Amino acid sequence: KAGVTQTPRYLIKTRGQQVTLSCSPISGHRSVSWYQQTPGQGLQFLFEYFSETQRNKGNFPGRFSGRQFSNSRSEMNVSTLELGDSALYLCASSLQVGASGELFFGEGSRLTVL
Amino acid sequence: AQSVTQPDIHITVSEGASLELRCNYSYGATPYLFWYVQSPGQGLQLLLKYFSGDTLVQGIKGFEAEFKRSQSSFNLRKPSVHWSDAAEYFCAVGGPKLKTSYDKVIFGPGTSLSVIP
Repeated sequence: KAGVTQTPRYLIKTRGQQVTLSCSPISGHRSVSWYQQTPGQGLQFLFEYFSETQRNKGNFPGRFSGRQFSNSRSEMNVSTLELGDSALYLCASSLQVGASGELFFGEGSRLTVL
Repeated sequence: AQSVTQPDIHITVSEGASLELRCNYSYGATPYLFWYVQSPGQGLQLLLKYFSGDTLVQGIKGFEAEFKRSQSSFNLRKPSVHWSDAAEYFCAVGGPKLKTSYDKVIFGPGTSLSVIP
């Protein structure tokens, strides 16, 4: 069974640009969560999608958005990039919605903002 | 709101020595508890989980953890560490309660483990 796939793995952007990250969950998993990982803040929850609906959202500005497609694939978008957005963005899929199930993580997309 | 603390930012142990990583949580209901491991440049992998029942749970790679409700702790242990165990370890809390404030898995800050050959 294929794991969680995130693309691209690495990307470099400049301030003010926008970026779109993609996540393909494990087959059969309908929940996709996104986390931002930085050395200073650790793993911070961005949002969760389940059956194409955003179920929960963390404390991030509106520049951070996401969506989920009918095949459960998810994308997250960050607009007007700031230096502080440099991070590893991790996607995780799960059979269960919310906090009741095991999360399966991808290898992440490492974003560098210059 | 739920939270997780991992008191040790970094731990160094010798290969073959025993290991205990500490985790304390705050949660307003019966928690689901997890330990994940992250190797450099990789995503997180689940080591073990506690949902209910026996408070001593076994995981992969020879790890185990014990849930102590009275101490709000879920410490991770391994009797003999291997060099390949060097990684970042994250404790996490979730739960079955489908309320917005409980409806996401929260991770601790992580403990970095170094292993001396």
